[in-house]
Amino acid sequence: QAQLVESGGGVVQPGESLRLSCAASGFTFNTYGFHWVRQAPGGGLEWVALIRYDGSKKYYADFVKGRFNISRDNSKNMLFLQINSLRPEDTAVFFCARAPSQYDSSGCPDYWGQGTLVTVSS
Amino acid sequence: QSALTQPASVSGSPGQSITISCTGTSSDVGGSKYVSWYQQHPGKAPKLMIFDVSNRPSGVSNRFSGSKSGNTATLTISGLQTEDEADYYCSSYTARNTWVFGGGTKLTVL
Repeated sequence: QAQLVESGGGVVQPGESLRLSCAASGFTFNTYGFHWVRQAPGGGLEWVALIRYDGSKKYYADFVKGRFNISRDNSKNMLFLQINSLRPEDTAVFFCARAPSQYDSSGCPDYWGQGTLVTVSS
Repeated sequence: QSALTQPASVSGSPGQSITISCTGTSSDVGGSKYVSWYQQHPGKAPKLMIFDVSNRPSGVSNRFSGSKSGNTATLTISGLQTEDEADYYCSSYTARNTWVFGGGTKLTVL
């Protein structure tokens, strides 16, 4: 059974950086693309980024504007999201989620982790 | 990328059927075969209920069904049960190689 476990969230001050991690197990990690999706408190889901199975391409939401970087380490079954210049409006639960098909990232996510909370406050 | 449009809330009584709409554009819902629906209970991760417009993952009740017409996708839940009370989100792959979610719909089972 696929399992995704996020970590790295916490309380940070505006302008600081944070690196979120997602540990994957239960499937062949290096054949799937992965998303990051965030959800502000009381808000809806907002797509953030996707990385292809081999890391060759990355796609970002317009609001990212160069502050976020999605990456992966296929040797360790790990997904990452580096967030720089954090703002109060970045406060959210960040979920990692798997693309549904091997080698093809076009579909919408299937398996999701439980999320990690990032709070940006002075 | 604007969020897909969903009604903020819908409600129904146990045993009834409800529908939740998800309206986008020809660049996302209307032009994509990759439209999904998710159920989310408070404090929990989203759960995939429908993928590729109308397909159900293994283990999801056949009371849940999906369809699409033009730029609008629809989730139908028949035989409402109390455990169906949750937030529901649609999602679509877009022509720009991005993904977009709907604003979410709160389902209340009266």
